[in-house]
Amino acid sequence: DAGITQSPRYKITETGRQVTLMCHQTWSHSYMFWYRQDLGHGLRLIYYSAAADITDKGEVPDGYVVSRSKTENFPLTLESATRSQTSVYFCASWSGQETQYFGPGTRLLVL
Amino acid sequence: QKEVEQNSGPLSVPEGAIASLNCTYSDRGSQSFFWYRQYSGKSPELIMSIYSNGDKEDGRFTAQLNKASQYVSLLIRDSQPSDSATYLCAVTGNYQLIWGAGTKLIIKP
Repeated sequence: DAGITQSPRYKITETGRQVTLMCHQTWSHSYMFWYRQDLGHGLRLIYYSAAADITDKGEVPDGYVVSRSKTENFPLTLESATRSQTSVYFCASWSGQETQYFGPGTRLLVL
Repeated sequence: QKEVEQNSGPLSVPEGAIASLNCTYSDRGSQSFFWYRQYSGKSPELIMSIYSNGDKEDGRFTAQLNKASQYVSLLIRDSQPSDSATYLCAVTGNYQLIWGAGTKLIIKP
């Protein structure tokens, strides 16, 4: 199916563990984004990518790492998870025209 | 720092009435403006986009843009309980979207 998917949809992990959230889009959009959404803060940009092998920091990049070896994939890694990284994570893609389209989100709980 | 401001609400509106949601932005260079709807536990979905001053209508939804006042609004006519959601305003800036924190709208039957 065409669109943007995220996996896993739900994840529980422990402090200090490494976690990778996956994002895949089938539209061949150039741009991809990772956001986190917490109550009272709305959507905050973590990292974005303008094309394969091009990534840049957003508003809240600390503690996160991204890569983009292929246009369709944009994984987000928490190298050593902390409780403050408990959140809902959304991946989005954009062709450069119109607007961004979102994946279904990943709910992450760090114990 | 570029900002987008929205009243967090909740905004409570009777069923059948007009709901009015407002958004102000700081970057005068912004060219594109979007309204997203987000139901609880779901991802944001685009409902309206507007690029030039004035009104843009789509069904029960009307987006209004005033670049001079740096103001964009969303009107929902004949509000339905299914319109109850959080509405996010987003504005373009440097190949990114700048997001407001959202307004929670509650439609009372």
